[in-house]
Amino acid sequence: ETGVTQSPTHLIKTRGQQVTLRCSSQSGHNTVSWYQQALGQGPQFIFQYYREEENGRGNFPPRFSGLQFPNYSSELNVNALELDDSALYLCASSLEAGQGEAFFGQGTRLTVV
Amino acid sequence: SQQGEEDPQALSIQEGENATMNCSYKTSINNLQWYRQNSGRGLVHLILIRSNEREKHSGRLRVTLDTSKKSSSLLITASRAADTASYFCAPGWWGDYKLSFGAGTTVTVRA
Repeated sequence: ETGVTQSPTHLIKTRGQQVTLRCSSQSGHNTVSWYQQALGQGPQFIFQYYREEENGRGNFPPRFSGLQFPNYSSELNVNALELDDSALYLCASSLEAGQGEAFFGQGTRLTVV
Repeated sequence: SQQGEEDPQALSIQEGENATMNCSYKTSINNLQWYRQNSGRGLVHLILIRSNEREKHSGRLRVTLDTSKKSSSLLITASRAADTASYFCAPGWWGDYKLSFGAGTTVTVRA
């Protein structure tokens, strides 16, 4: 078990609604990345936060936004939910931005109906 | 966007056998990582191998990296039921800050 915790574990939302997912990073880690994993696929990078600033973004629309707090925990917000947003959302923390071992949480399973 | 490609897509072996899976990528890398994911849970880091290393071991895991062929392999020896999982490689390109995963190799270990 890593020290990365995500909440909630499961969530059901209706199309058009908004959702906030939360991630508590491992102690001492200042970098948090978010990934979306559709069924049967590998995780796809959404964005990364380093010391409260967005450090990079993948190919996701602006309705995917995030925040990192002074204690390095993080939120992923998705507005105007679409059916295709149904996926496992993974948060990963690491010691520093860039490459290196990432510690993943158990994920939040989001279902959009 | 760049990512590694794992091969085969799926692998079924008997307990006690060895499992080998491969990862290919297209452009020069700084390092390469392997991760394991048990049934819809979070990913667990297995090994990081740097571009100047050819082989690395961790317990029953052996990873090789051939930069001339732009490929890596992950060998699991004496497999156990608990090794049933999906395995992903994540090549690390110079100046890149994120992990880029392929679709993974799903390994099933039969009792």
